[in-house]
Amino acid sequence: QVQLKESGPGLLKPSETLSLTCTVSGGSISNNNWWIWVRQVPGKGLEWLGEVYQSGTNNYNPSLQSRVTLSVDKSKNHFSLKLTSVTAADTAVYYCATGEKWLAPFDNWGQGTLVTVSS
Amino acid sequence: EVLLTQSPATLSVSPGERATLSCRASQSVSSDLAWYQQKSGQAPRLLVYGASTRATGIPARFSGSWSGAEFTLTITSLQSEDFGFYYCHQYNNWPPTFGGGTKVEIK
Repeated sequence: QVQLKESGPGLLKPSETLSLTCTVSGGSISNNNWWIWVRQVPGKGLEWLGEVYQSGTNNYNPSLQSRVTLSVDKSKNHFSLKLTSVTAADTAVYYCATGEKWLAPFDNWGQGTLVTVSS
Repeated sequence: EVLLTQSPATLSVSPGERATLSCRASQSVSSDLAWYQQKSGQAPRLLVYGASTRATGIPARFSGSWSGAEFTLTITSLQSEDFGFYYCHQYNNWPPTFGGGTKVEIK
């Protein structure tokens, strides 16, 4: 089973761009999995942000579509999340996860990384 | 977008007792529903998928069932390590959505 680990800045100012990377180990990002981002505002539930396939094909949560970009870097075996124009409402723990196919349960999760947006 | 409504929001259960958690979908999701357990400070862990199939390594005291658009996660003989939050997730309709969660706490 692959292991996933998120990395990136933990503190941002309003209007900045959130950039996180999820490194895949113990397997190839070029398999048939879809690579997922989910976030969780402290004390709240889970929110699906989007998904990306090895080919670069991606889908985004309609509520965030104008601000989210997901990408895959096969050479580094990682995938990335960019969220522009962040506000305090984007303060959350960001998880990367994976599913075996499109529209599948998320059977593997990273440990999560807290991103705080504050001036 | 499919809305998943979980109930109750909080469930107080004594160790050794049974816990029954519900998740209702706003439209049919077939059996494409998963349950996750999340403990404080940890990532969610997949418990059940396909409404009733336990994920690898999940104890038999966890079981899932469904009828129509109503899904149930049952934990028989609750252990101390079972306390935490539980979320349902539908992956039948795009975009995938999560329920609001149920907190299972010690009574």
